[in-house]
Order: sequence, then C-alpha cells, then structure tokens
Amino acid sequence: QVQLLQSGGEVRKPGASVRVSCKASGYNFNTYGITWVRQVPGQGPEWMGWISTHNGHTFYAQKFQERVTMTTDTSTSTAYMELRSLRFDDTAFYYCARDRVGSYTGNTALDYWGQGSLVSVSS
Amino acid sequence: EFVLTQSPGTLSLSPGERATLSCRASRSVSSAYLAWYQQKPGLAPRLLIYESSKRATAVPDRFSGSGSGTDFTLTISRLEPEDFAVYYCQHHGDLPFTFGPGTKVDIK
Repeated sequence: QVQLLQSGGEVRKPGASVRVSCKASGYNFNTYGITWVRQVPGQGPEWMGWISTHNGHTFYAQKFQERVTMTTDTSTSTAYMELRSLRFDDTAFYYCARDRVGSYTGNTALDYWGQGSLVSVSS
Repeated sequence: EFVLTQSPGTLSLSPGERATLSCRASRSVSSAYLAWYQQKPGLAPRLLIYESSKRATAVPDRFSGSGSGTDFTLTISRLEPEDFAVYYCQHHGDLPFTFGPGTKVDIK
C-alpha cells in the first residue's frame, strides 16, 4: 500500500534551518510528484511547492521562494523540504503529499499524505 | 490575488441530516482543478473529491461534488458520525495551488 512516512518533529531557534524528510513506499516513486503543504494549527492548509520526482524540477510559492529548497533522492524514494531563516510564524505542521496522477507541473489533486511533521520555532 | 472562500465557517447538524458546503473562487476556474479534502483532528487531510465531482478511492457515495465557474459545492447526503470534520476545497490549476479556509461540520 502507498505510504508516505515523514520525519519527526523538530524544534529550532529563529534564524535556523530545518529539513523534513518524506519516505515513500508502495509505488513507483519516479511517477508521481510530491507537494509540500504546511498548516498552522487551527488554520487551513497552505501550498508551499512541488517537486517532480522524475527530473527534480520545482515550483515554489512566491512566499517561500527565497527560503525553501525541495529535493528528492530517488535511490531511497525520499523527498526533502528545507526551510531556512526560520521565524516564529513558521511554527506549523508540514506535510508531504503525492500527486494523484503524474504531471509536469503538479496541477493535480493530492491523494496520499504523510502524517505530518511539527516544526516549532522558539527562542 | 486568487482567493477561495468557503461558507459557512461552521455548520452544526445532526447525524442523518444533509450537509451543503460552498466553495467560491475569486475568478472563474476550470472544474478539472477543483478538489475537496476532509480533515479530522490530529490527522492529515484526506482527498474526497477531485475534478469537482469525482469521488476518490474508497469515498462513500454519500459524498458528492458539483459546480463550475466560481461556485462549487460539496454535499453529504446523510451525515454519519465519522463525517464530523473540517472540509477544505483546493484549486490546483494555476500556481500557487490555493486552499480555502475550511468549513467545520460539527454535531448539533
């Protein structure tokens, strides 16, 4: 069965960086892109960006463009999201999610989600 | 700026009742790029509806989606106890792929 297993929660100080991992299993990793979504507790999800697992091409939300990097390691079927220069308002759950169908731009619904990784930014 | 608005913010209903949730886009969008998700406390969102009206795998047929242009609707024909949750619409046609603020369906 399809599973996306994310890394555990992290605590960081303002200005630091964090990297969240998302290990996929149960399907051909190279076929479906991975989207990263974050959610502040009590608020709606926020789309951060998308990466093609086929060629590594990325699209980032303008809001995160300067601070985020999404990568994949096809040898381990793992996607990564690094967020730099963390601020207090980056405290949120971070989710990876799989494209429902293969695409070149990630413009599909998201059919499988990781369990979420809580990133807390605190001094 | 493209925005999705969901109404009502909270819907208080009893099991067995019909729920009608609205998602309105700030400009016309293709129904091919409108999805609905369900989220329960402590869990990740779950895909319910894609392409505006198609049920995702294993989604019960009491869930249905409809709409076009700027107005989309998620209907739950008869609420089951497990349906009390928050529901989000998402447009994934143009970057960035925007989510709505959600409608909470709670028990009356």
